[in-house]
Amino acid sequence: GENVEQHPSTLSVQEGDSAVIKCTYSDSASNYFPWYKQELGKRPQLIIDIRSNVGEKKDQRIAVTLNKTAKHFSLHITETQPEDSAVYFCAASLTGTASKLTFGTGTRLQVTL
Amino acid sequence: KAGVTQTPRYLIKTRGQQVTLSCSPISGHRSVSWYQQTPGQGLQFLFEYFSETQRNKGNFPGRFSGRQFSNSRSEMNVSTLELGDSALYLCASSPREGGQPQHFGDGTRLSIL
Repeated sequence: GENVEQHPSTLSVQEGDSAVIKCTYSDSASNYFPWYKQELGKRPQLIIDIRSNVGEKKDQRIAVTLNKTAKHFSLHITETQPEDSAVYFCAASLTGTASKLTFGTGTRLQVTL
Repeated sequence: KAGVTQTPRYLIKTRGQQVTLSCSPISGHRSVSWYQQTPGQGLQFLFEYFSETQRNKGNFPGRFSGRQFSNSRSEMNVSTLELGDSALYLCASSPREGGQPQHFGDGTRLSIL
């Protein structure tokens, strides 16, 4: 089955700096890669996603890149703000057959003033 | 449009008991997936339901079961509870089978004493 590895497990940046979180996946058939943000005690919230026919996607301060050959994808957050502090999860899925998401182990991002 | 609703939010049970959790998907969403979230194992897929049928199942023992009703609402049941079943149980819905993205509810926090 699919296996997703995520690094780093913790990340501390100063406000205004950029943050990058990286994930690798094992199943070359996976074609959908979402990123979820989970604040303490709250639900995982979808912040951005990318499908395998696209190499990069951007939404304001957040961007995701996908390298299908290397089977890795990354989340980039620019101009970080204190409210970006949360745990971020990457995931992989094969759409069309099942909704099952295989998640990475999470990255705790702390944005300090 | 209302989001995914899970009830109850918190449950305390003792070993050996059974428990039923409920999930109402976003209106119009027909696929419901369940995930278990623990500090040690992270987010793990339990099963997916679509059209009242289980479509996909994760690597959990048979004590974990579920069902879906004609209105797409889903229930998850865990029998003979063990201490290790203490977790946050999350439900996610998507418009169709194998569809993405999935949107999560706030979860049910289950504590086993």
